[in-house]
Amino acid sequence: QKEVEQDPGPLSVPEGAIVSLNCTYSNSAFQYFMWYRQYSRKGPELLMYTYSSGNKEDGRFTAQVDKSSKYISLFIRDSQPSDSATYLCAMMDGSGNTGKLIFGQGTTLQVKP
Amino acid sequence: EPEVTQTPSHQVTQMGQEVILRCVPISNHLYFYWYRQILGQKVEFLVSFYNNEISEKSEIFDDQFSVERPDGSNFTLKIRSTKLEDSAMYFCASKTGTGGNIQYFGAGTRLSVL
Repeated sequence: QKEVEQDPGPLSVPEGAIVSLNCTYSNSAFQYFMWYRQYSRKGPELLMYTYSSGNKEDGRFTAQVDKSSKYISLFIRDSQPSDSATYLCAMMDGSGNTGKLIFGQGTTLQVKP
Repeated sequence: EPEVTQTPSHQVTQMGQEVILRCVPISNHLYFYWYRQILGQKVEFLVSFYNNEISEKSEIFDDQFSVERPDGSNFTLKIRSTKLEDSAMYFCASKTGTGGNIQYFGAGTRLSVL
């Protein structure tokens, strides 16, 4: 079983739609959860950071972590064409000693005008 | 806004040649990382570096790879004898040492081994 699984998509939605992206994981030691956005041939850019379980909201973005189900989600409200990118989930264990991030495959999102 | 800077943006080399990829992390950061992303695949951890030594490395990071912080600002990844399968995007990242867990990534160096 892969440590982090993420449906690669592609996911295509009309402008204004609510987008739901998610990842599952197997390592119960993961405590820190991030969502990065990556444009083609660019570096990952941090969108959301969550520690342990719960929700976090930032503008049109909401991140949810359900540690009991080993499942994390990113919701994008009122999606825009500029949101078209690849979204990567990333996780780190609770020791945090080295900060090694384990990434999902990434989901490619296209928002059509 | 401070950022991680990587050079060159694209490096083309012949198989068997040595390459050095360069990174300037954010100035007050203490932890440094290299990741790799083969085209169409996930971002993979290579190595972490703290206090002038490797703190963790993956099985990908074999004897052909080395890292160095030659001065107070640069962080380099050297591949001694490149293979075709080393072709990938290489990302440098850094984070603070004071309770911070957010890693900031550079734009990457695309390495093409011919």
